[in-house]
Amino acid sequence: GAVVSQHPSWVICKSGTSVKIECRSLDFQATTMFWYRQFPKQSLMLMATSNEGSKATYEQGVEKDKFLINHASLTLSTLTVTSAHPEDSSFYICSASITASSGGEQYFGPGTRLTVT
Amino acid sequence: AQSVTQLGSHVSVSEGALVLLRCNYSSSVPPYLFWYVQYPNQGLQLLLKYTSAATLVKGINGFEAEFKKSETSFHLTKPSAHMSDAAEYFCAVSAPNFGNEKLTFGTGTRLTIIP
Repeated sequence: GAVVSQHPSWVICKSGTSVKIECRSLDFQATTMFWYRQFPKQSLMLMATSNEGSKATYEQGVEKDKFLINHASLTLSTLTVTSAHPEDSSFYICSASITASSGGEQYFGPGTRLTVT
Repeated sequence: AQSVTQLGSHVSVSEGALVLLRCNYSSSVPPYLFWYVQYPNQGLQLLLKYTSAATLVKGINGFEAEFKKSETSFHLTKPSAHMSDAAEYFCAVSAPNFGNEKLTFGTGTRLTIIP
């Protein structure tokens, strides 16, 4: 149980275009979803936290107009990288948590590798 | 605020030897603590977690960790390393927040297993 999927698993786009990444909880309803960014050989950096039906909370230094997050349902959150540039190339990982009873555990998706040319 | 320090960005052990990955945390409130494993080009998989119950936590794949409040540590151990244990390991901390817990990750430790 507690499976999170991401689509696509990898994407290449041209500079200036936008790309959307989907994160789905397959067998549970996620009260909260998180988006992380991971550079090669580095740790995960939290970008934003989203709760279904409300605006995402972005971490300091993350541009909310560039990284648009929509959490339309309890099983789907999307991250749109707008006007992508090569420096946006990274590994993007989402996670989902269930309820307070889960003890703060997050279930992670397999990640999406974005390459901007 | 919470933070995590993982001592040793790279650890190498021989197959069959003890694995010890170190993690120290800082938290202003009783923390939740986690160890995750990441294989190349994959997401994170939970190994084990501490949420204020038993201080010795047993996880998957033979791993365990002990919460030591006096030392603010949560080191990960496995008695006998296997080749399949080679991966990146992340320690993480969060504070209870009714399902909105934000994880703060350490910088990770790459574990290499020597045949």
